[in-house]
Amino acid sequence: EVQLVESGGGLVQPGESLRLSCAASGFSFSSFWMSWVRQAPGQGLEWVANINLGGNEKHYVDSVKGRFTISRDNARNSLYLQMNSLRGEDTAVYYCARDNGPTGWIVWGRGTQVTVSS
Amino acid sequence: DVVMTQSPLSLPVTLGQPASISCRSSQSLVYSDGNTYLNWFQQRPGQSPRRLIYKVSNRDSGVPDRFSGSGSGTYFTLKISRVEAEDVAVYYCMQGTHWPHTFGQGTKLEIK
Repeated sequence: EVQLVESGGGLVQPGESLRLSCAASGFSFSSFWMSWVRQAPGQGLEWVANINLGGNEKHYVDSVKGRFTISRDNARNSLYLQMNSLRGEDTAVYYCARDNGPTGWIVWGRGTQVTVSS
Repeated sequence: DVVMTQSPLSLPVTLGQPASISCRSSQSLVYSDGNTYLNWFQQRPGQSPRRLIYKVSNRDSGVPDRFSGSGSGTYFTLKISRVEAEDVAVYYCMQGTHWPHTFGQGTKLEIK
């Protein structure tokens, strides 16, 4: 079964850091671009970042550039999102998703909640 | 960034009746390869999003044929021919032509 399982979410204070992980199974992880997509409470979807097969090409939405870093470990079939200098507006459910380029994302995890609040 | 504007934002529909959601983009979604990368996603309550339609009108595997997509350029439509209870969800259009890829605000379909 194709599956993505996120972990690492939690409650942090503004300015703190958090590292999200995503464990992939059931498909050849190293053959796909991967993304993080987030959803603020009661809000819509926002693509956050993606990474290419080898991990040497990365893209970010402007609002997280310089604060978030996406990475992957193909040997461990894992995707990561290092989030630094967190702000209240980063509060959201973060989904790991298998990137299908311009046609969007076909495989999604169940998401992990990140709450930034003092 | 390309702005995707959906209407309506709330859509009450009687079971068995048709439903239609519009999506407009602030720029043409025709890519240099000739394809139009307008996709539709469904998010049922408490669930992760699911892609329904890609490249305007192509249904994903397992998507009932009561769902159809159409449009061109900057104006697109998702139609449900006969709404069923399982269609209660928020529907998002998403463009993959321009970076960053962006979503519409979402349309919440509910049963009247």
